[in-house]
Amino acid sequence: GENVEQHPSTLSVQEGDSAVIKCTYSDSASNYFPWYKQELGKRPQLIIDIRSNVGEKKDQRIAVTLNKTAKHFSLHITETQPEDSAVYFCAAHGSSNTGKLIFGQGTTLQVKP
Amino acid sequence: KAGVTQTPRYLIKTRGQQVTLSCSPISGHRSVSWYQQTPGQGLQFLFEYFSETQRNKGNFPGRFSGRQFSNSRSEMNVSTLELGDSALYLCASSLQAPNTGELFFGEGSRLTVL
Repeated sequence: GENVEQHPSTLSVQEGDSAVIKCTYSDSASNYFPWYKQELGKRPQLIIDIRSNVGEKKDQRIAVTLNKTAKHFSLHITETQPEDSAVYFCAAHGSSNTGKLIFGQGTTLQVKP
Repeated sequence: KAGVTQTPRYLIKTRGQQVTLSCSPISGHRSVSWYQQTPGQGLQFLFEYFSETQRNKGNFPGRFSGRQFSNSRSEMNVSTLELGDSALYLCASSLQAPNTGELFFGEGSRLTVL
């Protein structure tokens, strides 16, 4: 079945440094890859997404890259700030309109002031 | 526009009991997905409903079931509760399907099984 692996499970960086979270997916038909951020005690919220016809997408300090051949995608956060501290989830959705969005296990990012 | 609403927010049950959780999606959203969140396991897909039809189901036992009503509101039921069912159950809605745009999550229903 479909599977999404996410690494690392925890990540600690100094404020101002960059953070990279990587995910691999198993379903080669996947064509939509969102990233969600979940702050402590709050609901997950979409921060950026990418579709299979694009290799990279940026939004201010956040960027996502996709390598369809290798079936992996990554989240890059530059100039990290303490408010970036949260759990980040990657996800993958298949090409068939089945409504099945599979999430990775999550990465807890801690940004130290 | 009101967000996704889940009830109850917290509940405590004992092993063997059953529980029903409710989710009201954002107005106009027709797709409702359910996820189980536990520490270290991330968000595990339970099922997704669209226009009262279950389009897909995750790898959970038959004790987990759900349904969607004509107004897009959805319920999930867990029968014969086990200790391992203790988790945060999140509902999320989207316009058509989770890959057509943002998935909007509710605050979740935290279930504790004693």
